[in-house]
Amino acid sequence: EDQVTQSPEALRLQEGESSSLNCSYTVSGLRGLFWYRQDPGKGPEFLFTLYSAGEEKEKERLKATLTKKESFLHITAPKPEDSATYLCAVSLTMNNNAGNMLTFGGGTRLMVKP
Amino acid sequence: GAGVSQSPRYKVTKRGQDVALRCDPISGHVSLYWYRQALGQGPEFLTYFNYEAQQDKSGLPNDRFSAERPEGSISTLTIQRTEQRDSAMYRCASSLGSYTEAFFGQGTRLTVV
Repeated sequence: EDQVTQSPEALRLQEGESSSLNCSYTVSGLRGLFWYRQDPGKGPEFLFTLYSAGEEKEKERLKATLTKKESFLHITAPKPEDSATYLCAVSLTMNNNAGNMLTFGGGTRLMVKP
Repeated sequence: GAGVSQSPRYKVTKRGQDVALRCDPISGHVSLYWYRQALGQGPEFLTYFNYEAQQDKSGLPNDRFSAERPEGSISTLTIQRTEQRDSAMYRCASSLGSYTEAFFGQGTRLTVV
């Protein structure tokens, strides 16, 4: 069965304290791995798509990496405004009639204290 | 429009009533998805449209749920004979192409009492 697991469920950091969020996946065929940010009361906001092992993408203090089994979202010197829930999702090659139908993990709730 | 727009933002309905949730995707986006999100969880797929064609409805929980997108733009998710277990946040997302990133709306919070 296809599974996406995110860890930790919650993470508290001090401002400036770098860390990584993990997304491990067990799927039959990966088309792409997506990272989204979700603020309370809002819809998920797209951050990155990764397609192949070894790929990396960066945006401001965030860097996403991908291996054959997991993805990491590295946060460098976080600020309080980085506090949010970060969602990982996969799109599978088997879902040919479902476009980029996403299977989401449970998310990591990040809290950055000033 | 500037983003995916969903209406209403909040809907409270009595058990047994029918509800219709509306999604207005980003202009020009051919793909449209409906998801349902429980509190503290990631969204779960319900159904997918490519233009006006509903190409996957494998995530719809039962036959009380249906969706349409008759002109390939606005979509409506309808829940008939609502039950308390239908209470959730319903999210719509759209994308420019079938395999490009999806952009989500703010959702409709449905409460069945």
